[in-house]
Amino acid sequence: AQKITQTQPGMFVQEKEAVTLDCTYDTSDPSYGLFWYKQPSSGEMIFLIYQGSYDQQNATEGRYSLNFQKARKSANLVISASQLGDSAMYFCAMREDYTGANSKLTFGKGITLSVRP
Amino acid sequence: DTEVTQTPKHLVMGMTNKKSLKCEQHMGHRAMYWYKQKAKKPPELMFVYSYEKLSINESVPSRFSPECPNSSLLNLHLHALQPEDSALYLCASSQDRVRLEAFFGQGTRLTVV
Repeated sequence: AQKITQTQPGMFVQEKEAVTLDCTYDTSDPSYGLFWYKQPSSGEMIFLIYQGSYDQQNATEGRYSLNFQKARKSANLVISASQLGDSAMYFCAMREDYTGANSKLTFGKGITLSVRP
Repeated sequence: DTEVTQTPKHLVMGMTNKKSLKCEQHMGHRAMYWYKQKAKKPPELMFVYSYEKLSINESVPSRFSPECPNSSLLNLHLHALQPEDSALYLCASSQDRVRLEAFFGQGTRLTVV
């Protein structure tokens, strides 16, 4: 069974508008971490934002915020004021057994975001 | 400094060649990872080193041989690869506790001819 699900097809957003990228996850582990990464065409995976399963508040990092709904097992990424440089592939990822580096980082299939001028 | 450096950035090798990919980080991270990524697909975990010891091998063929000479360096030795091994190879590192976000290098684009 897929642990991380990203089902949106390619997403388009107008420059300066906000966009939400969806992510749902599946785990029975009470301790886990959720991550979003951006991968431009150059290939580098850029860490954007993190949410821990015990965090009480939604994570925010600059223009990125994470809409964490634990009961629904969703961790959607919100990008505000989109910029042309935001065009990239975005991956949601999860680490279970959140106590050691041996735990695996599992990625969703990714979503391609295109920002229109 | 949140940098993971990978060399080379591009590599073309024949099926009989032996080559190595290198990865270096100076963030004091004690876990290092190799991922393989095909175009338009998510990264797939290959190996995890924790405190310089191999802790996870995701049933990777023996033509891929990882090595962790010290806490800052991670190598991936390649021998007798197949054309289907052509991919982007990503190295990552993370701390061994707390947030555990992994920081990735820019990757090596490998083409096997």
